[in-house]
Amino acid sequence: DIQLTQSPSSLSASVGDRVTITCRASQGISNSLAWYQQRPGKAPKLLLYAASTLESGVPSRFSGSGSGTDFTLTISSLQPDDFATYYCQHYYSTLTFGPGTKVDVK
Amino acid sequence: QLHLQESGPGLVKPSETLSLTCTVSGGSISSSRYYWGWIRQSPGKGLEWIGTIYDSGSTYYNPSLKSRVTISVDTSKNQFSLKLTSVTAADTAVYYCVRPSGGHFDYWGQGTLVTVSS
Repeated sequence: DIQLTQSPSSLSASVGDRVTITCRASQGISNSLAWYQQRPGKAPKLLLYAASTLESGVPSRFSGSGSGTDFTLTISSLQPDDFATYYCQHYYSTLTFGPGTKVDVK
Repeated sequence: QLHLQESGPGLVKPSETLSLTCTVSGGSISSSRYYWGWIRQSPGKGLEWIGTIYDSGSTYYNPSLKSRVTISVDTSKNQFSLKLTSVTAADTAVYYCVRPSGGHFDYWGQGTLVTVSS
């Protein structure tokens, strides 16, 4: 099975900060990667797929990059609604999620 | 806009079968090329894909759960369902019904907590 790791596991940031989260796959997965945002008590929400394609309705401050084993989610200017936990998920083989990165208030 | 809603018992006894239903509104469950699935989330294991059913009737399950899982569709009720047999405390989780789209998941239900306990 292809495993995903995320770093950092948590981070503290302020509104307006640029935030970068990394997801690493244990084997190459091409661009078969999605990113989700989950607020407490809510279901995950799809942000990006195919590593860099923004889901309809998602603000353009979210962007993704990477291919193969290393991927990045960037929030260009953190907004109050963005304090949440972020997960990556690959769909190259058995669908698997990363362990998550919690973004909280500094 | 699709809406998915899970329903089913919130408490299941160990060794029994967990049964959940997802009702789809805002669209037909049997639209061309439909896919439907289940994901669960527990504090210990995080987010875990359980399985997916395709319009062909084919099902694909997480190998770690395959021997205990069945996903089926009832097009007459616009619902799909999950059955997980021989549950243990490790199956305690929030269960989400989802719509897969090319491997990722674009629609999610609100989730339902299922606790396995005697």
